[in-house]
Amino acid sequence: KQEVTQIPAALSVPEGENLVLNCSFTDSAIYNLQWFRQDPGKGLTSLLLIQSSQREQTSGRLNASLDKSSGRSTLYIAASQPGDSATYLCAGTTSGTYKYIFGTGTRLKVLA
Amino acid sequence: DAGVIQSPRHEVTEMGQEVTLRCKPISGHNSLFWYRQTMMRGLELLIYFNNNVPIDDSGMPEDRFSAKMPNASFSTLKIQPSEPRDSAVYFCASSYLSRFAGEAYEQYFGPGTRLTVT
Repeated sequence: KQEVTQIPAALSVPEGENLVLNCSFTDSAIYNLQWFRQDPGKGLTSLLLIQSSQREQTSGRLNASLDKSSGRSTLYIAASQPGDSATYLCAGTTSGTYKYIFGTGTRLKVLA
Repeated sequence: DAGVIQSPRHEVTEMGQEVTLRCKPISGHNSLFWYRQTMMRGLELLIYFNNNVPIDDSGMPEDRFSAKMPNASFSTLKIQPSEPRDSAVYFCASSYLSRFAGEAYEQYFGPGTRLTVT
């Protein structure tokens, strides 16, 4: 059974720091991977989608990479801002399936 | 587009009552997903519809849960009878994808319905 672990579970940093959030799958055969942001009391917002033929995606200050050999993904946030405070979740599908399996999330707080 | 719309946003009900959650997917999307989020279990897929047809309901916890999608713009998730352990946030998400597995797709989530069963 595919399980997804996100490390760290919680993170508190001063504004301006560069951050790395980690996501690890027990089954390394990850096909597609999506990173989401969830604000308290709200739904999930898609940040980046890495398709099976890709290794990384970038959007503004965010960069996500996927190492299929190890089943690990990282989300890099450059020059963090208080508005980045949220819970970040990764979700992946394995080859031959459509179902996304979600990680446990990293709760990020960026202090002004 | 207004995004995925869910109603109600909050629902408080007593054990044994019927609860109906509603979802309107993004226009043009052909796939709809119902998820449940709890602190203990995280985000779990309950059921997936493609072109209004239920494709996978293996995540539905038990017979008390049922879901329908009578047309491309509306879906319901019903719990009857409700129990305190059903308390959670229920999300609806939509996307466009074919039925072929392995296709990359981006999911768009609604704001969720926070259900409390007392």
